[in-house]
Formats: sequence, C-alpha cells, structure tokens
Amino acid sequence: DIQMTQSPSSLSASVGDRVTITCRTSQSISRYLNWYQHKPGRAPKLLIYAASSLQSGVTSRFSGSGSGTEFTLSITSLQPEDFATYYCQQSYSTPLTFGPGTKVEMK
Amino acid sequence: EVQLVESGGGLVKPGGSLRVSCAASGFTFSNAWMSWVRQAPGKGLEWVGRIKRRADGGTTDYAAPVKGRFTVSRDDSENTLYLQMNSLKTEDSGVYYCATERGETGEDYHYYYFMDVWGKGTTVIVSS
Repeated sequence: DIQMTQSPSSLSASVGDRVTITCRTSQSISRYLNWYQHKPGRAPKLLIYAASSLQSGVTSRFSGSGSGTEFTLSITSLQPEDFATYYCQQSYSTPLTFGPGTKVEMK
Repeated sequence: EVQLVESGGGLVKPGGSLRVSCAASGFTFSNAWMSWVRQAPGKGLEWVGRIKRRADGGTTDYAAPVKGRFTVSRDDSENTLYLQMNSLKTEDSGVYYCATERGETGEDYHYYYFMDVWGKGTTVIVSS
C-alpha cells in the first residue's frame, strides 16, 4: 500500500497569508495526486486533481504542484472560508489512500 | 443538480450488520465509478471501497480493514449505491460518505481519477 504523509499536521495563519502544505508518498505516483478541503459537518470538496489541475468552480487562490513523491498545495491570500482541514489522496493504485490531513486554523 | 444522498446509518451492536445507501441524481449513475469513504470520530478520511461501472466489469476493491466484512454493490436501475457492513467493530464507527470517481485525460495523456462529487454522509455508531 502507498503511505501518505502531510506536513505540517496543523498551522495557524491569518487572513491574507500564503499557506503551503506538503504531501509525500512512500513510492512514486507520477501525478496521481488529488487535494480535498473538508469542513466539519460538510461533504469533502475536491480542489486539485492530477497534482496541479484546478477543479472547475474552485477559486484560483488554490494551486497544486509536484510529481513523483513530493507534492504541494498552496493557498494565496487566505480567506475566512479557507479555514478547514486539507487532505491529499493518491489515485495511482488501490487501496486508495489519503494523507492524515492538515488543519488550517485562524491565528 | 448533481447530488448524492446517503441514508441508513444508525446504532448497531458489535458483531452486527447494517446496510447504508447512497441515492444518486443529476447524472448518469450507470456510467460512474463509485466509492465509499469514512471518517472515524476525530480522525481523517479513510477510503473504504469502490465499485466500477458495469462497462468496466463492475468489479470491486476494498481497503484491508474491511475486506471480507463489507460489500459494495449498486443498482443502476434505481440509481443507488450500497454498502453492506457485516461483523461490525467499534472501530467502524464514523461518518460514511459516498463519492463519484471521475476520470480525465491530463496534458500528458494519462488518465487521472478523482472523487469530484460527495454526499453529506450518514453516521454509523457501533457500540454495545
């Protein structure tokens, strides 16, 4: 199985800050990496697929990069609605696996 | 409007069984790969299992913790996805989400899958 790690596990930031989250995989997965945003009591929301493709309807403040085993999710100019937990997920092979999550909290 | 609505969650004793459902609308359900994802209390997202569309064989895959106990199935005539859960354990408690798995061809001509539509989830509590 492909193991996923994310760093940091949590961070505190202010509105307007730039935030970067890193996801690493235990083996190379090319660009088979997706990012999701999840808020309590809500359905998870797809942000980025194929490492860097922005899902339709998602603000361009979100961007993704990387390939192989290291990937990043960046949020420019953090907005109040961006405080949430972010997960990476590999779609390279089953079992599909998610990272442990990064909680973005308000400073 | 594309929509997924889960139902059937509840309280069940350890060792018991439960079936949860996911009603789909607004898209051609029979063409979709479908997954179940869960979130235990205070934990992260965990993929449970998937079923491909009939045209791709209708095959299923499962995560190791549920393999042999859970079964994913679908009724394309009713636009409904199911998750049959047997021999339930306390660690199976959580919110269960269904999601569509869609694919797109990337700029490098590889085909990439992702979960783009999610339901709001149904809560399963396994407790004596």
